[in-house]
Amino acid sequence: EDKVVQSPLSLVVHEGDTVTLNCSYEVTNFRSLLWYKQEKKAPTFLFMLTSSGIEKKSGRLSSILDKKELFSILNITATQTGDSAVYLCAARRAGNNRKLIWGLGTSLAVNP
Amino acid sequence: DAEITQSPRHKITETGRQVTLACHQTWNHNNMFWYRQDLGHGLRLIHYSYGVQDTNKGEVSDGYSVSRSNTEDLPLTLESAASSQTSVYFCASSEGSQNEQFFGPGTRLTVL
Repeated sequence: EDKVVQSPLSLVVHEGDTVTLNCSYEVTNFRSLLWYKQEKKAPTFLFMLTSSGIEKKSGRLSSILDKKELFSILNITATQTGDSAVYLCAARRAGNNRKLIWGLGTSLAVNP
Repeated sequence: DAEITQSPRHKITETGRQVTLACHQTWNHNNMFWYRQDLGHGLRLIHYSYGVQDTNKGEVSDGYSVSRSNTEDLPLTLESAASSQTSVYFCASSEGSQNEQFFGPGTRLTVL
């Protein structure tokens, strides 16, 4: 059965810290991995990764995929209180299957 | 600007009543999805559609139905609401089979 596991489940840091969130997957015929940020509302899209070793970056956030070891990490540098959210990852199979397999998320709290 | 909207944003209903949650997107996306989100379970797929007149069951479809009569709308109906269906419901859409999904703002449903 396909599954996506995120760790840690929750994390508390101070402003300015760097955090690394983990997402491991076991998905048949894997195609891509997506990261979302969810505050007190709908998930918003961050990154989609399809190739191993190529970092995607947006401001202080970056992410990379390792298709050999079946995991991805999301890094946030110089954290701010506005980074407090649940970070979700999801995996997708190749082909015509458009469904996403979701992890349970990592809840990040950034304290001032 | 193109967007995805849900209505109502909050709904309280009684056990046994039929409830319909609306989802409308203006991106002209073929793919639309309904999820529920509950603590400890993450996002779970209820139903999805790959185009007009196409509907498919997700992992938690019992007690729910959808219909797709046009590209823009995918209403979700709870045939006879149960307390176990108290949840936050998200609608999402995507352009292509391997594109990211964009989420609506969510509907918080309480079944008493």
